[in-house]
Amino acid sequence: DSGVTQTPKHLITATGQRVTLRCSPRSGDLSVYWYQQSLDQGLQFLIQYYNGEERAKGNILERFSAQQFPDLHSELNLSSLELGDSALYFCASSVGGVSPLHFGNGTRLTVT
Amino acid sequence: AQSVAQPEDQVNVAEGNPLTVKCTYSVSGNPYLFWYVQYPNRGLQFLLKYITGDNLVKGSYGFEAEFNKSQTSFHLKKPSALVSDSALYFCAVRDRNSGAGSYQLTFGKGTKLSVIP
Repeated sequence: DSGVTQTPKHLITATGQRVTLRCSPRSGDLSVYWYQQSLDQGLQFLIQYYNGEERAKGNILERFSAQQFPDLHSELNLSSLELGDSALYFCASSVGGVSPLHFGNGTRLTVT
Repeated sequence: AQSVAQPEDQVNVAEGNPLTVKCTYSVSGNPYLFWYVQYPNRGLQFLLKYITGDNLVKGSYGFEAEFNKSQTSFHLKKPSALVSDSALYFCAVRDRNSGAGSYQLTFGKGTKLSVIP
C-alpha cells in the first residue's frame, strides 16, 4: 500500500460532462502530482502542486484544472469531456527533492 | 527538455534466466534516474533510483540498474527472473537542474516483461 488514496476507482460519464477526481497524499508528503496514462500516449505528466501552490505544468489541457487544499488533498477537474479523455488518471505524492513518487491506484475514466 | 526511451515494447525471458530491460535518457544537465514497476490495475511502485555515486544501484525484489553516463543509459537487470516479475516496467528521469520545487518525472512508454515458466 503506497499510502496514496484516489477516489473514485472507476468513473463512467458522457461527452460534455464534468468530473472531479480526488487524491489524498501520503501522510507528510507536500507534493502532489497528476499523471494521465493511456495506451497511445503512455504516462503524461499533467500538473504538480507543492504545499498548495502550483509548481509545474505539463501537458494539461485548458479544459482540465487542479488544486491542492490546505489539508494537502488535491482534486483534478475535467470538463467538457471528450472520448479521447478516457484514460487512467494517477495521483502521486512525495516529500520532494529526490525522494521517489508514491502512486495511488488510479481512477479509470471512461467517457461514452 | 528531458526524455526517456525504452526501445523494447516487450521482453520475454525464461524463468531463472537473467533479464535486462533497456532505458536511455536525455537531459540538458545531469540526471536523476528511476525505475518503477506496474502490476495490472495498480499504480506504479518504486524499484530503485540513481542519484549520485556508485554506478550500480541495487533496489527492491533483487533488481539492480547500471548508470552509464557515456551511453546515457540506465538498464534494469536481474540475475534470475521469476514468473512474478511479469509486469510493466517504466524508466523515469528528472534533470538535476529542473526548477526549484519542481520534482516531476518524465517517464518512458514502458516495457512489458513476460517471464515464461
